[in-house]
Amino acid sequence: DQQVKQNSPSLSVQEGRISILNCDYTNSMFDYFLWYKKYPAEGPTFLISISSIKDKNEDGRFTVFLNKSAKHLSLHIVPSQPGDSAVYFCAASADGGSQGNLIFGKGTKLSVKP
Amino acid sequence: EPEVTQTPSHQVTQMGQEVILRCVPISNHLYFYWYRQILGQKVEFLVSFYNNEISEKSEIFDDQFSVERPDGSNFTLKIRSTKLEDSAMYFCASSSRRQVISSGANVLTFGAGSRLTVL
Repeated sequence: DQQVKQNSPSLSVQEGRISILNCDYTNSMFDYFLWYKKYPAEGPTFLISISSIKDKNEDGRFTVFLNKSAKHLSLHIVPSQPGDSAVYFCAASADGGSQGNLIFGKGTKLSVKP
Repeated sequence: EPEVTQTPSHQVTQMGQEVILRCVPISNHLYFYWYRQILGQKVEFLVSFYNNEISEKSEIFDDQFSVERPDGSNFTLKIRSTKLEDSAMYFCASSSRRQVISSGANVLTFGAGSRLTVL
């Protein structure tokens, strides 16, 4: 039962270009979405979040778009840098953004080539 | 920058043995969590802990698992009798608030993880 799906296990992008990471969800009760980045041998680190009342949130090179009708969100990284190479996890929360019981996707491994 | 520290980084144990994974959350955080990631799989929620009691737990967190905050700094996960399928990376996390806020300032901070290998 995958409530949060990241259908692309990997993505390769040239430095300076845009990286687009996608995430789909099935549970309409989710009201908050987060993106985490994970380097090898480290824990996930928070990147950016979006509430379900918004359709876009931007933080520097990172923008998250939410399409509630399609139950789809995406993370855009522009311009991509080699240091962005990591595994990116999409996570969802219900119950007013409660962080207990975040539901994660399987992750997408991004490789940014110089 | 404050961080969540976990020990050990890697533990190998025999099936049926007890294991204790330790975590030191960020000092002013009040909410504590354990998640795990089986190799190649998604990160899964195990349990959340607040005010010295479990506030939420998943189906994975059965009677073989327990959590404790034995003192003011440590937060431990105990697996009483390990099974092969308990092999995973276990992540401890903490937060200052239960709810995410728009700035993301109080989101979960994860530790680097403890890799458990059950033979």
